[in-house]
Amino acid sequence: KAGVTQTPRYLIKTRGQQVTLSCSPISGHRSVSWYQQTPGQGLQFLFEYFSETQRNKGNFPGRFSGRQFSNSRSEMNVSTLELGDSALYLCASSLSRGPKPNYGYTFGSGTRLTVV
Amino acid sequence: SQQGEEDPQALSIQEGENATMNCSYKTSINNLQWYRQNSGRGLVHLILIRSNEREKHSGRLRVTLDTSKKSSSLLITASRAADTASYFCATDLTSGSRLTFGEGTQLTVNP
Repeated sequence: KAGVTQTPRYLIKTRGQQVTLSCSPISGHRSVSWYQQTPGQGLQFLFEYFSETQRNKGNFPGRFSGRQFSNSRSEMNVSTLELGDSALYLCASSLSRGPKPNYGYTFGSGTRLTVV
Repeated sequence: SQQGEEDPQALSIQEGENATMNCSYKTSINNLQWYRQNSGRGLVHLILIRSNEREKHSGRLRVTLDTSKKSSSLLITASRAADTASYFCATDLTSGSRLTFGEGTQLTVNP
């Protein structure tokens, strides 16, 4: 079956712009989580969605937002981009139905965002 | 700070040797998971071990969990060059509702 699909794979944006990243989870997976990965901070949790509701949010400023659609596809948006937002953004889906990650995550290949 | 801390940060071995990576965590967990990441790609789930389990196997992988010491180890037997990757442990905290990742161990397997 198809894996987790993230688009686009690469993005170059200018400071101050905004960006939208997309994630299509594995069919049947309703939980979608987003992580930011940088060399200095490692993997940092952004947020998690289930059935169109944000269930959990990490410690990121309000410039980072997301949403989930009825087909479980998810988007995340970053407004007013800063140089420090340059990172690999990873989306993961899982079979978990409750708020606990009781199943392994399936990750997409990520979106590499570069802010110049 | 990261919940899980992997040790060592980097490991270089020859093909055919075994590789052992360790993960320590600070608070009680429901489960602990190991992932592999190849050079800036997405993470691949390897094994999930629950807090009431002590050992799990999957092919050449063996994971142990010692909840009294708050630590886990990942053993890769008979390593191959294709095992070269970063390996992360991730914890599902009893008090939380997200997977928290460690900083990873960079494994290099030399042919």
